[in-house]
Amino acid sequence: GNSVTQMEGPVTLSEEAFLTINCTYTATGYPSLFWYVQYPGEGLQLLLKATKADDKGSNKGFEATYRKETTSFHLEKGSVQVSDSAVYFCALSDKWGAQKLVFGQGTRLTINP
Amino acid sequence: DTAVSQTPKYLVTQMGNDKSIKCEQNLGHDTMYWYKQDSKKFLKIMFSYNNKELIINETVPNRFSPKSPDKAHLNLHINSLELGDSAVYFCASSQVVLAGTPSTDTQYFGPGTRLTVL
Repeated sequence: GNSVTQMEGPVTLSEEAFLTINCTYTATGYPSLFWYVQYPGEGLQLLLKATKADDKGSNKGFEATYRKETTSFHLEKGSVQVSDSAVYFCALSDKWGAQKLVFGQGTRLTINP
Repeated sequence: DTAVSQTPKYLVTQMGNDKSIKCEQNLGHDTMYWYKQDSKKFLKIMFSYNNKELIINETVPNRFSPKSPDKAHLNLHINSLELGDSAVYFCASSQVVLAGTPSTDTQYFGPGTRLTVL
């Protein structure tokens, strides 16, 4: 079946460091890909998405490019802030007509000042 | 304005009890979902309703019964609660544009309900 694999966490960085969180997927057909973020004590918020190969999603300084050849959707940010500390989830939608999200295991990110 | 709301935020109960979690969305969406997040933060879909019709039902014990009185509400009723039901339950909604095409619309999540079964 369809699945999403994220890099193991937790990830700890200093402020202004470069961030990469790896995400690879297995899917039949052409899924849409998403990154969601969960801040402490809150629900999930969509961070960015890409719906077809070579699309780049971007938001709040974060970027991810849909790479069909490597089945990847890695999340990057050039300079992280303390406020980026959260759990990040990579996900794909795999059902036509109804968007069933399949999530990766989540990566906890902590940014130290 | 709260887009997707859930009540209660916290729920602590004894094994064997029956409890309900309510979800409401004011986004005008046609589709609503329930997800379960376990203690390791792993998120998995449980159910999805489109215009009050069940369209996704993962391998969830039949002690869990979703109910959708209208397309703005999707409640989750759990019978005979077990220790393993302890988790955070998230409701979500989205607008499914066209049946038969991959939906790319964003799912909006509620704040979650933390259920603890003692």
